[in-house]
Amino acid sequence: DTEVTQTPKHLVMGMTNKKSLKCEQHMGHRAMYWYKQKAKKPPELMFVYSYEKLSINESVPSRFSPECPNSSLLNLHLHALQPEDSALYLCASSQGGFWGNQPQHFGDGTRLSIL
Amino acid sequence: AQSVTQLDSHVSVSEGTPVLLRCNYSSSYSPSLFWYVQHPNKGLQLLLKYTSAATLVKGINGFEAEFKKSETSFHLTKPSAHMSDAAEYFCVVSVGSGGGADGLTFGKGTHLIIQP
Repeated sequence: DTEVTQTPKHLVMGMTNKKSLKCEQHMGHRAMYWYKQKAKKPPELMFVYSYEKLSINESVPSRFSPECPNSSLLNLHLHALQPEDSALYLCASSQGGFWGNQPQHFGDGTRLSIL
Repeated sequence: AQSVTQLDSHVSVSEGTPVLLRCNYSSSYSPSLFWYVQHPNKGLQLLLKYTSAATLVKGINGFEAEFKKSETSFHLTKPSAHMSDAAEYFCVVSVGSGGGADGLTFGKGTHLIIQP
């Protein structure tokens, strides 16, 4: 069982739909992350939240909109996605060590398919 | 800047034989290094981490890794492979940015195949 919970596990949506991915952790971690992972590739960092503030945006298209309502929750709002956005979306959290020596804990991801 | 090179995209071993997954890194600062494992349709699970303490790091499920600064390597080993070890393995270097949040630089992954 993972300590980072992602919902839904699978999502199929059309290019005009609006949907949201959700991520929750109760480990008291103050940094949370969104990654995109294509098949047979390593995860690609999208966003980092630190103490509920957006810290890093890796030049992600505006059709992806992150939100951190509180220290335990992270959302990713999706709108007008393209077929190439089909991927596994992973959420992670960490204690956010100053020099990056804290490991990240990953959820099992949401498998997103864009029709 | 930092980078990670996993030297083998695929490694195949027989069950019960040793496993060696190779990783070289480059980093401007003293690095934090991690190995993660990803089973099919699952997230990433931390196997072990190096954060400038002991150079030989023991992890879960019998895995260990040795940090060799002179060789800029952080190879992952296991004395005896089990069928359940079949998965994708990622070597990762941390890019500490300070302020409490940081990203990770991933290697391209090594697919470990266990032959019965």
